[in-house]
Amino acid sequence: DAGITQSPRYKITETGRQVTLMCHQTWSHSYMFWYRQDLGHGLRLIYYSAAADITDKGEVPDGYVVSRSKTENFPLTLESATRSQTSVYFCASTPSGNTIYFGEGSWLTVV
Amino acid sequence: DQQVKQNSPSLSVQEGRISILNCDYTNSMFDYFLWYKKYPAEGPTFLISISSIKDKNEDGRFTVFLNKSAKHLSLHIVPSQPGDSAVYFCAAYSGAGSYQLTFGKGTKLSVIP
Repeated sequence: DAGITQSPRYKITETGRQVTLMCHQTWSHSYMFWYRQDLGHGLRLIYYSAAADITDKGEVPDGYVVSRSKTENFPLTLESATRSQTSVYFCASTPSGNTIYFGEGSWLTVV
Repeated sequence: DQQVKQNSPSLSVQEGRISILNCDYTNSMFDYFLWYKKYPAEGPTFLISISSIKDKNEDGRFTVFLNKSAKHLSLHIVPSQPGDSAVYFCAAYSGAGSYQLTFGKGTKLSVIP
């Protein structure tokens, strides 16, 4: 039972580069989410998806793009990385909201 | 405006005693609440949840209490164990069909052997 896997786990990139964080879940959950965790802010929602081809903005979407062509994948792209996007990114999924499962995180540093 | 507040950044408890972690919320539209535990360099792990139609939910050593009139919930861990040492996040969402969680900033629990 693989659950949710995120890749890469650790990434260093330069300002202005495009970066894609991958998220894959094996449960066929309808709902998927991307959160970022920063010191002093807890976890904040970037984007979410209710099903394949349905996505919507969360609290902090600026500078990010998502897509969901398949139910099991929900990649997050930073089109032009900035230092303020240095953070830990968590992908999550749920079938119904009673229990929302998180991946292990992707640590991104933008230099 | 912080809609979910965990006012204690840290808490230390002796092994075997009760740990009580508190959470307050301001959004009266929240109707489902979840607690997560997080170890360093790992993702949040779901612990326990409660619907707004209940005032208590229990799962083993973990019990969550919800006081809707006070907009307050608490997580009780009895007995506390050293392995419970982690950061605990309170989270909430409103309305089925979105499940967008709003998180508190977390409370770091240290259980002292």
